[in-house]
Amino acid sequence: GAGVSQSPSNKVTEKGKDVELRCDPISGHTALYWYRQSLGQGLEFLIYFQGNSAPDKSGLPSDRFSAERTGGSVSTLTIQRTQQEDSAVYLCASSRSTDTQYFGPGTRLTVL
Amino acid sequence: RKEVEQDPGPFNVPEGATVAFNCTYSNSASQSFFWYRQDCRKEPKLLMSVYSSGNEDGRFTAQLNRASQYISLLIRDSKLSDSATYLCVVRFQGGSEKLVFGKGTKLTVNP
Repeated sequence: GAGVSQSPSNKVTEKGKDVELRCDPISGHTALYWYRQSLGQGLEFLIYFQGNSAPDKSGLPSDRFSAERTGGSVSTLTIQRTQQEDSAVYLCASSRSTDTQYFGPGTRLTVL
Repeated sequence: RKEVEQDPGPFNVPEGATVAFNCTYSNSASQSFFWYRQDCRKEPKLLMSVYSSGNEDGRFTAQLNRASQYISLLIRDSKLSDSATYLCVVRFQGGSEKLVFGKGTKLTVNP
């Protein structure tokens, strides 16, 4: 079946602008995760959804970052007033409960 | 101390070589362990889970030592297509089940 999809694949924005990143998980996967991979760094956890609720937001780096999930499916990660240090690849993963996490291809964000 | 630490690499080996990657984790509450593979500018993909008894999948063997909080991956008879970054990954029980990644070890297999 279809895997995790993310859009856009690339996003270039100017410092101070807001951006929205979208994730479509695998159908039937109740758990959804956002991670970030900065140049030369490992993947770091941002937020976890179970259904539409987010019981773990501990990885969000600042209050400029927020995320929501609707209908237990699509999720949107929003970054307000982007900064250059926000430049990274943002990866979404989904899983059936505690099962294997499958990753999407990511959104490469560049903040000029 | 980082939660998951790996050999810094990079590893450059000839085809057919055997190569081993090591990883240590700091949280003894860790419950699940994995090796993921990430190709350049691609998403991570699960290579194999790691079990206490050790497990093998073709040319790949993974080992876990809970007492030492140590995980290893052995690749035998390496192929050019094994060139990638190998990520050691730990999942903690309970809560979000989030994955904690090592920084990865880059492997290049040369002809």
